[in-house]
Amino acid sequence: QVQLVQSGAEVKKPGASVKVSCKASGYTFTSYGISWVRQAPGQGLEWMGWISAYNGNTNYAQKLQGRVTMTTDTSTSTAYMELRSLRSDDTAVYYCARGLAVAVTYWGQGTLVTVSS
Amino acid sequence: SYELTQPPSVSVSPGQTARITCSGDALPKKYAYWYQQKSGQAPVLVIYEDSKRPSGIPERFSGSSSGTMATLTISGAQVEDEADYYCYSTDSSGNPLGVFGGGTKLTVL
Repeated sequence: QVQLVQSGAEVKKPGASVKVSCKASGYTFTSYGISWVRQAPGQGLEWMGWISAYNGNTNYAQKLQGRVTMTTDTSTSTAYMELRSLRSDDTAVYYCARGLAVAVTYWGQGTLVTVSS
Repeated sequence: SYELTQPPSVSVSPGQTARITCSGDALPKKYAYWYQQKSGQAPVLVIYEDSKRPSGIPERFSGSSSGTMATLTISGAQVEDEADYYCYSTDSSGNPLGVFGGGTKLTVL
């Protein structure tokens, strides 16, 4: 069965970076892209971007351009999302998902990133 | 940047029909997708490509789209349908960017 397993919760100081991983299993990793979505406490879903696991092409949300980098490691079927220059308003649960605009979607369990001094 | 607009809240009594709207300028050209999110859980897809229902989603969930508005309809809403609902789509640029609506809290009581 398809599974996306994300790395554990992180606590970071303002200005630091965080790298969240998303390990995929149960399907051919390079056949699908991975999207990243975040949700601040009590707020709605925010699309962060997408990466093709086939060729590494990326699309990022305009507001995160320059601070976010999405990568994949096909040897381990793992996707990564790195966010730099963290601010308090980056505190959120970060999700990876296989497919958002498809008939069947799979989501990771979410990773809480807390930015606090 | 492209935006999808949803009402913040909708309230119905059990058994009534709930309608949640999502408006966006690109919706005449782009599909809408609807996600249900219950507290503390990852979102679940309930409608894809405007009106199709994924396997396992009850028949009371349906979707439609006309012009710049997509609508999620829950016919005979049940208490367990109480959740936040988000529409999702992409903009109409050549390098499509995803966007979620602000979300609608559905209350069934």
